[in-house]
Amino acid sequence: DTGVSQDPRHKITKRGQNVTFRCDPISEHNRLYWYRQTLGQGPEFLTYFQNEAQLEKSRLLSDRFSAERPKGSFSTLEIQRTEQGDSAMYLCASSLGPPDQETQYFGPGTRLLVL
Amino acid sequence: GQQLNQSPQSMFIQEGEDVSMNCTSSSIFNTWLWYKQEPGEGPVLLIALYKAGELTSNGRLTAQFGITRKDSFLNISASIPSDVGIYFCAALFLNAGKSTFGDGTTLTVKP
Repeated sequence: DTGVSQDPRHKITKRGQNVTFRCDPISEHNRLYWYRQTLGQGPEFLTYFQNEAQLEKSRLLSDRFSAERPKGSFSTLEIQRTEQGDSAMYLCASSLGPPDQETQYFGPGTRLLVL
Repeated sequence: GQQLNQSPQSMFIQEGEDVSMNCTSSSIFNTWLWYKQEPGEGPVLLIALYKAGELTSNGRLTAQFGITRKDSFLNISASIPSDVGIYFCAALFLNAGKSTFGDGTTLTVKP
């Protein structure tokens, strides 16, 4: 399968614990995005990378959240001191193409439940 | 921030019927995308639109990029049970990176 992959698919944690999610983009896609989705809503943008550079962060991304893409390939999203409000589906997407033909392909998501 | 108003919120239709849904915004966008999402999965890209007025088909699906660049619609013809899911519109500004999403249209198809 050459699509976007995410790991784990599901995570249950206790409030206050740290969690880390991984995203592997489609090979050679230079842009990688993180979104958060809660029930009944569309995905909300969190942050994105072009190669290893983090170019934009949403105000939704509090200081408890950090994302990295150290080698411009896979990315990790860490949430420290999780809160119940962090429970959501965390989606990763990747894209390649000129800016006027931006098309993002999504992974299956990581569903987080904070107890 | 920019918001996309997607309607209808939900649709219950009979197999074989045609479906139409749309997204509108007060902002002008450079790209419109339509996705389908099934429970527990990520959104799957259906159609991408890059030019105002563009009309693009993908099988029984047809989508158009509104001439004002502030709206888009998706039509599904001759619906079948596997069309069930949540359909999302998304839009991007040029060089903006991030997509802005609507809140989805939940489609139920009765056999």
